[in-house]
Amino acid sequence: QVQVVESGGGVVQPGRSLRLSCTASGFTFTRHGMHWVRQAPGKGLEWVAIIWSDGSKKYYAESVKGRFTISRDNSKNMLYLQMDSLRAEDTAVYYCVRDSIAPRGFWHNWFAPWGQGTLVTVSS
Amino acid sequence: QSVLTQPPSVSGAPGQRVTISCAGSSSNIGAGYDVHWYQQLPGTAPKVLIFGNNNRPSGVPDRFSGSKSGTSASLAITGLQAEDEADYYCQSYDNNLRVFGTGTKVTVL
Repeated sequence: QVQVVESGGGVVQPGRSLRLSCTASGFTFTRHGMHWVRQAPGKGLEWVAIIWSDGSKKYYAESVKGRFTISRDNSKNMLYLQMDSLRAEDTAVYYCVRDSIAPRGFWHNWFAPWGQGTLVTVSS
Repeated sequence: QSVLTQPPSVSGAPGQRVTISCAGSSSNIGAGYDVHWYQQLPGTAPKVLIFGNNNRPSGVPDRFSGSKSGTSASLAITGLQAEDEADYYCQSYDNNLRVFGTGTKVTVL
């Protein structure tokens, strides 16, 4: 079945780095853009970043621009999020999410499926 | 920082109809971009409930429906059931980025 599974979360000190991974299966990975979405404890959803299916374009939320880097390895069906200069406010569950393929253009795409999430805690 | 605004909470008795609004602007919903809705049950990951403004994925009950007009959208739940108690989020596109609503908690009285 179509599935994405995150890994790599944990506790990290402010200012340090962490890399999240996402393993995709059950679909043609090279056809889909991929996202990271996060949710701070008790808060709403926040979109973090997108990478196009061929890796040619990447976009970031203002809150993480310049600190986070999204990447992918299409030969391994893997998605990554390199998080540098981490702050306490980056503490959240991070979800790996597949971009759908809307018939009327990518700007109409929706998110499905979602992974189960991996918790990142930034604390000294 | 969410650019789509939703009411923090709505509630209703079993069997009632509730609606959740999602207010956007001319750079997202008003620009013609589709609105999607996600349901997040307690302790679980979100899942898509409505895509493309008013389409339900297979397995989603037809008591859930979506609509869009101008710079806003709405999610309606008719015949509210106890298992509908969850958080709901709208989502759209805005200037190369994806944006979520602030989220609405639905409580079944």
